[in-house]
Amino acid sequence: AQKITQTQPGMFVQEKEAVTLDCTYDTSDQSYGLFWYKQPSSGEMIFLIYQGSYDEQNATEGRYSLNFQKARKSANLVISASQLGDSAMYFCAMRELNQGGKLIFGQGTELSVKP
Amino acid sequence: DTGVSQDPRHKITKRGQNVTFRCDPISEHNRLYWYRQTLGQGPEFLTYFQNEAQLEKSRLLSDRFSAERPKGSFSTLEIQRTEQGDSAMYLCASTEQSGYGYTFGSGTRLTVV
Repeated sequence: AQKITQTQPGMFVQEKEAVTLDCTYDTSDQSYGLFWYKQPSSGEMIFLIYQGSYDEQNATEGRYSLNFQKARKSANLVISASQLGDSAMYFCAMRELNQGGKLIFGQGTELSVKP
Repeated sequence: DTGVSQDPRHKITKRGQNVTFRCDPISEHNRLYWYRQTLGQGPEFLTYFQNEAQLEKSRLLSDRFSAERPKGSFSTLEIQRTEQGDSAMYLCASTEQSGYGYTFGSGTRLTVV
């Protein structure tokens, strides 16, 4: 069964430093996509970055990069130069392409950026 | 188009009452998804529509829950005879069938007292 695991319930980082949020996944499918979302206290889910299972290069979007290690089934999010506004919940999610497009989410990591 | 809209943002109801939530997706998106998120957890899939057809329902969606998407536009999620365990954030998302760009609404936070 498909599953996403985020083992860090909470993380602290100093402003302007980099932080890595861990995500491992389990799937028997060969075609899948991995997502990271940010959820501030207001509740909306904000898309950050996407990695397809066949993408050979790690995805990057501005200060966000995804460290994709397919053999280890991990898809860690790296945030460079943390800002105070990065404080939020972060969710890793997976979509299997033959499963109707639904997303399976991990439990989330609460990131706190210290000034 | 300003994104996915959900109404209401907050709903407080007494146990046993019925509630209905509405989601207006991005107009050109033919897929619409409902998720439930309880405190401290990630969103859990409830059901999804492709146009007006409801193609999958999670086992989380008990017979007290029903969802519709008439004419393939907006969608409603109704909970009958609410229970305290129904208290959660209900999120709606839409996407194109072949796309991976999911857009989420701001959610409806339900509190059952």
